[in-house]
Parts: sequence; C-alpha cells; structure tokens
Amino acid sequence: AQRVTQPEKLLSVFKGAPVELKCNYSYSGSPELFWYVQYSRQRLQLLLRHISRESIKGFTADLNKGETSFHLKKPFAQEEDSAMYYCALRRPGGYQKVTFGTGTKLQVIP
Amino acid sequence: EADIYQTPRYLVIGTGKKITLECSQTMGHDKMYWYQQDPGMELHLIHYSYGVNSTEKGDLSSESTVSRIRTEHFPLTLESARPSHTSQYLCASSEFGGTTNEKLFFGSGTQLSVL
Repeated sequence: AQRVTQPEKLLSVFKGAPVELKCNYSYSGSPELFWYVQYSRQRLQLLLRHISRESIKGFTADLNKGETSFHLKKPFAQEEDSAMYYCALRRPGGYQKVTFGTGTKLQVIP
Repeated sequence: EADIYQTPRYLVIGTGKKITLECSQTMGHDKMYWYQQDPGMELHLIHYSYGVNSTEKGDLSSESTVSRIRTEHFPLTLESARPSHTSQYLCASSEFGGTTNEKLFFGSGTQLSVL
C-alpha cells in the first residue's frame, strides 16, 4: 500500500531562514509526487509536482528514490509562506488515487 | 467560470439526521474525490470516483455513501449523523484519461458539526 509520512506537525522558522519540509513515502515503484498548500482561509491547492521539476514561489522539491523522500525546500522563508503543507503520492497509471500525508504547519516568525 | 462548488459551507445538525453534502464541478473532470479533514490535520480519502456510475471506498472507513449519476455531481450522504462525523469534508476533481501528473482541484469544503 502507498503511504506518505510527514514527520513534523509544526515547523517554525524565522523570516529569511532556510526551510525544509520533510516527506517520506513508501512505494516500491516510481511514484508521482506532489506538494499541496493550504493558506489560511483558502482552498487547498497544488504547489508543485516532481515531474515538472519546477520552482514555485521559491520552493523546490527533489525526489530521492534511494531515501524515498521528496522534501520541500526554500532558501529564504517569507511570512506569506506560513501555511499548511501536504505531501501527496499517486501511483502511475490511470486508475489510481491520490494519497496525502499528515501535513506540516509552517510558521514563519517575523 | 469553471470551478468546483461545495454546499453548504457550514452545517450544524442534530444526531440522527440524514444529511447530504453537495459537490459539483463545471470543469468537465472525470475523477472526483471526497476527503475528510480535521482542522490543521491530515486529509483522509473516504471516497473517489473515476466517472459516472463508478465509486470506490478510500483509505479511511466511512459510514457515508456517495453516488455518481452525473459527471459533474458527486454528493456525499450520511444516513444518520453522529457527533463523531463532525469534521471538514473536502471535495476535489481532476482530469482522467490515464493521465500522469494528476492535478487536483479542491472545493472550499463543508464544515459539518453534529450535536
């Protein structure tokens, strides 16, 4: 079964400090991995996906198959980054569901 | 405007009542999902659908049921609400067709409180 683990419920960093939100997954194949974000009073929305190798709002995430990890990173945190972040996994193929991790609340301290 | 809509936004109801949470999308998506989320907590997949007349149970056992008679509509029903059902319910949709890189679009959610 696929599973996503986010070990930190809360991560507090100072503005300007680097951020790393951890995500580990259990799946033997090559998964599709995503990060979703939920800002206060807003809808949950896609932040980035590993296949696109994109940088969104200064965030990047690298898939490490050896460590089965997909950590989200940003070199300098901003106050507007404060939000709930969810890592998600989907097996490749059409008839597959998307499974979310437990989420990490990022709090950026001014 | 293409979007995904959930109604009601908030619902307070007594124990034992039957309720239906509505979810509709105008994006033409085949796949739809229901997640249960407690504030600041993890999302639990409770139901999903690949298209009309397709429904599957998710990872978290739920006493709710769903139906998919029309592509755009994916309602969730609780026959007899209990306080343990108090939670936020999120509906989402995405394109299907064997696509990779699946992107989910979420509704605003329904906050259910059962007294």
